[in-house]
Amino acid sequence: AQRVTQPEKLLSVFKGAPVELKCNYSYSGSPELFWYVQYSRQRLQLLLRHISRESIKGFTADLNKGETSFHLKKPFAQEEDSAMYYCALRGSQGNLIFGKGTKLSVKP
Amino acid sequence: KAGVTQTPRYLIKTRGQQVTLSCSPISGHRSVSWYQQTPGQGLQFLFEYFSETQRNKGNFPGRFSGRQFSNSRSEMNVSTLELGDSALYLCASSFLPGTSGGTSYEQYFGPGTRLTVT
Repeated sequence: AQRVTQPEKLLSVFKGAPVELKCNYSYSGSPELFWYVQYSRQRLQLLLRHISRESIKGFTADLNKGETSFHLKKPFAQEEDSAMYYCALRGSQGNLIFGKGTKLSVKP
Repeated sequence: KAGVTQTPRYLIKTRGQQVTLSCSPISGHRSVSWYQQTPGQGLQFLFEYFSETQRNKGNFPGRFSGRQFSNSRSEMNVSTLELGDSALYLCASSFLPGTSGGTSYEQYFGPGTRLTVT
């Protein structure tokens, strides 16, 4: 089965604290994974993908095939990071399979 | 470059009616995918069109259908609406489908059409 699990519906942290949004996947073969973000009243947009290995807005994510995880991390959260975050897997037919999302709330 | 546009943005329909939603992809993009977003099920893939052909389809009943025109614009249709069809319907476009020729193509999402079935 091809599946993405985001165990936390809501994650609340204080400004300046480290953030880790968890994502686990189930996929046979070599997975292609993404993090999408949706800020309030904005459209869903790509944050980063594992194949590019880049850091966007201070966020990084490492693919761990042994643990089938692709957790999103940021060392120091900012208030503007508050948003819905979705982990996604490219399915075998090319479509995106999304997790249910984690709402990140960064408190001042 | 203009982003993905969807019309209408909001729609209220009665159970049993049918509805057509429209999506205009980014200029030059030839692949269009549709997703349904609900609080309970999250984002679920409906179908993808490329070169006017349905490339693949998610696990939705036959009441959900779509098509793509020669200018890459796409429409989706839901017939015999049910209360459970109330959702945000998102369209996403990409230059080519998924991973083509070893290159992974990013999907760009539209703002969605909020459908309410009463």
